[in-house]
Amino acid sequence: GNSVTQMEGPVTLSEEAFLTINCTYTATGYPSLFWYVQYPGEGLQLLLKATKADDKGSNKGFEATYRKETTSFHLEKGSVQVSDSAVYFCALSDYSNDYKLSFGAGTTVTVRA
Amino acid sequence: GAVVSQHPSWVICKSGTSVKIECRSLDFQATTMFWYRQFPKQSLMLMATSNEGSKATYEQGVEKDKFLINHASLTLSTLTVTSAHPEDSSFYICSARRLDLRYFGPGTRLTVL
Repeated sequence: GNSVTQMEGPVTLSEEAFLTINCTYTATGYPSLFWYVQYPGEGLQLLLKATKADDKGSNKGFEATYRKETTSFHLEKGSVQVSDSAVYFCALSDYSNDYKLSFGAGTTVTVRA
Repeated sequence: GAVVSQHPSWVICKSGTSVKIECRSLDFQATTMFWYRQFPKQSLMLMATSNEGSKATYEQGVEKDKFLINHASLTLSTLTVTSAHPEDSSFYICSARRLDLRYFGPGTRLTVL
């Protein structure tokens, strides 16, 4: 079956620090991969996605590259801001599960000024 | 972008009562909506898939008689937690599908006393 494993948090950083959140997956087919972000008091929002191997998704300074050989989709940002404080979820979907989203456990990131 | 709302945003009820949560897609029609449950510091767990005009499809282990789902229109799905008990206290999130993307509501915090 499909599963997503992401690094446990919480992660606390200073502003302008480099952020990496590891995500690895197990899937039956060739999944699409996503990062969602949940800001305090809000619903999940799609941050970025990649649909095939070697694709790089990017948005708001965040990047993640679909690595089929290592079954990974690590999220990175070179210089975080206080406004990046949120919970980040790695997710996948593929045909084997009717394209339902499978989520990782979420990583809470706190950026201090 | 597409907007999904949920109502209420939080509710407190007594044990044994029923609670209805609404999920609306405000600016698009959604033939498919999803209901998730999120425990503190844990991932989103898919409860059921709601299809407009037909019965919902429940995930394994989710009691369909306890969590009633109605998707009566293309913009509204409801989740009713029947005879709620303290163990049903959780954060309930809906998601609406638009083409190949998912849009999430802000969630409903249910506390059963």
